[in-house]
Amino acid sequence: GAGVSQSPRYKVAKRGQDVALRCDPISGHVSLFWYQQALGQGPEFLTYFQNEAQLDKSGLPSDRFFAERPEGSVSTLKIQRTQQEDSAVYLCASSLVPFLLLGTGNSPLHFGNGTRLTVT
Amino acid sequence: AQSVTQPDIHITVSEGASLELRCNYSYGATPYLFWYVQSPGQGLQLLLKYFSGDTLVQGIKGFEAEFKRSQSSFNLRKPSVHWSDAAEYFCAVGARASGGSYIPTFGRGTSLIVHP
Repeated sequence: GAGVSQSPRYKVAKRGQDVALRCDPISGHVSLFWYQQALGQGPEFLTYFQNEAQLDKSGLPSDRFFAERPEGSVSTLKIQRTQQEDSAVYLCASSLVPFLLLGTGNSPLHFGNGTRLTVT
Repeated sequence: AQSVTQPDIHITVSEGASLELRCNYSYGATPYLFWYVQSPGQGLQLLLKYFSGDTLVQGIKGFEAEFKRSQSSFNLRKPSVHWSDAAEYFCAVGARASGGSYIPTFGRGTSLIVHP
């Protein structure tokens, strides 16, 4: 596709349920990021992949959050035993190559439209 | 750790008026700075970025921003606002990450309201 695709667009889960959010990055994009955006706030970094390697997961708020990108393309963010505080929009972004390897910054992040998760 | 402050939660301007959105950052090294725009229900779109060189950077949709190291600021400007500019604007600072990339840290955003 032309852009980053996220599914589902909306997800309602009962507290305690597990959810899986999918991100299809732009084809060939090496870097993939997950962000969490609470209502009225800016996006908060969760985790970052370069190909299939998860290079940084320092933003994951608890061990209930798990992300994977097994073949270096599609990524899944899984949240186990969802809590109400997990309600947010989850944004995925990808970039062609790591910025700093290019040295020019000409590989911007492309964001998907997000998945809005509501935990009741 | 890096951080971004956007002191204005809401800004209201009349169509055709000039605009300045404020952004201050905290980062120990030379920063990579960005402005993104987000329309309701949409992802973030990059307006412009600063990596090095000329401190006045031009972006899309007629926006520009000026990097002022002495003030740790990267304010976004537009000389004449259009009604379609109404959106949420996010400033971000990029911190170096492993693997040669950077990780943007975002401010909380400024909501721009445009009156006809």
